[in-house]
Amino acid sequence: QKEVEQNSGPLSVPEGAIASLNCTYSDRGSQSFFWYRQYSGKSPELIMFIYSNGDKEDGRFTAQLNKASQYVSLLIRDSQPSDSATYLCAVNAANFGNEKLTFGTGTRLTIIP
Amino acid sequence: GAGVSQSPSNKVTEKGKDVELRCDPISGHTALYWYRQSLGQGLEFLIYFQGNSAPDKSGLPSDRFSAERTGGSVSTLTIQRTQQEDSAVYLCASSSSANDGNTIYFGEGSWLTVV
Repeated sequence: QKEVEQNSGPLSVPEGAIASLNCTYSDRGSQSFFWYRQYSGKSPELIMFIYSNGDKEDGRFTAQLNKASQYVSLLIRDSQPSDSATYLCAVNAANFGNEKLTFGTGTRLTIIP
Repeated sequence: GAGVSQSPSNKVTEKGKDVELRCDPISGHTALYWYRQSLGQGLEFLIYFQGNSAPDKSGLPSDRFSAERTGGSVSTLTIQRTQQEDSAVYLCASSSSANDGNTIYFGEGSWLTVV
């Protein structure tokens, strides 16, 4: 089982709709969770991070965390063509003193005008 | 600097040659990471530095790969006797102390092509 799993997509969403991206992780002790956006040929850029169960909202983005289910998601409201990118879920390794982030393989999102 | 700086941005090398990739992290960031991303793939962890020491080098693919960091700042990733499967983009990232919750910031990457 991969440590961090994402559906590779592609996920196609009409412009203006809600895009829902999902991620599961295997290490129950993981403490912090991140969503990165990566445009083709570019490096990943941080969108959001979440540490506590529940929802965290930032503009059109909402991160949701359920530690019991080992599940984290990202919702993008009012999707725009500029949101078309690969979205990477990353999880903090639980080992004390190890600050490594483990990434999923990413979900490719396409917003259809 | 304002962001993580990597050089070279692009490198084409012949199989069997050695290459050095350089990373200059964000000023004041104590943690530095190297990841590798092959075409269409996710990020593969290589090594992590806290200061000048490397608590986790578990991701280095083989003994042809090595990395060092001096002065708690610049890091160099060296690949000896390069192979075609080493072709990838090598991403460096940095973060501040552990209390920052591991919010890491990436450089633009060094694109390596082994021919």
